[in-house]
Amino acid sequence: ETGVTQSPTHLIKTRGQQVTLRCSSQSGHNTVSWYQQALGQGPQFIFQYYREEENGRGNFPPRFSGLQFPNYSSELNVNALELDDSALYLCASSLDSQTGNTIYFGEGSWLTVV
Amino acid sequence: DQQVKQNSPSLSVQEGRISILNCDYTNSMFDYFLWYKKYPAEGPTFLISISSIKDKNEDGRFTVFLNKSAKHLSLHIVPSQPGDSAVYFCAAKNYGQNFVFGPGTRLSVLP
Repeated sequence: ETGVTQSPTHLIKTRGQQVTLRCSSQSGHNTVSWYQQALGQGPQFIFQYYREEENGRGNFPPRFSGLQFPNYSSELNVNALELDDSALYLCASSLDSQTGNTIYFGEGSWLTVV
Repeated sequence: DQQVKQNSPSLSVQEGRISILNCDYTNSMFDYFLWYKKYPAEGPTFLISISSIKDKNEDGRFTVFLNKSAKHLSLHIVPSQPGDSAVYFCAAKNYGQNFVFGPGTRLSVLP
């Protein structure tokens, strides 16, 4: 039990639609990262938020966007969904983005795009 | 270009024996490394970490070894138990950057 919670756990969307995934970070953690894990692959970094500001982004198009709120919870938004967006989306929280701190994952949100 | 590689997609080990999972990386700036275990339909669970100032870290049945000159780390599980059957990911980062994950190794511990 990491204290990182994600919702929803599963969802199905149609190509072209938009989706919002939510994450509550572990108590005391001010940094949230989002990862995409496709079947058979390791998690791929999407972006990171530190104290409500994006402070790192992976190789994902602008239709992947996010927010972090004052309570350090976070949202991942994906617009214009494509079939290849079908994956497990993982949220991870950590104490500080600048030190070598461990990141702790939630259970993930399974997105299927049809 | 994969910066973190786990060249064995799968590994089978007898219960009670040692499991050795390997990970290679290409970026010499990486200075912090993690291992995660993942069961189906769950998020990755943190197992053990090591920073580049050490060459070994131990936590119960789990030991991680780091060979900086070879850019190689390994996770040893002794003794292996059936509950250890899962996919194991190694991850690496350098200061101020995000973690880069390997593709994972599926460990099966046979009773």
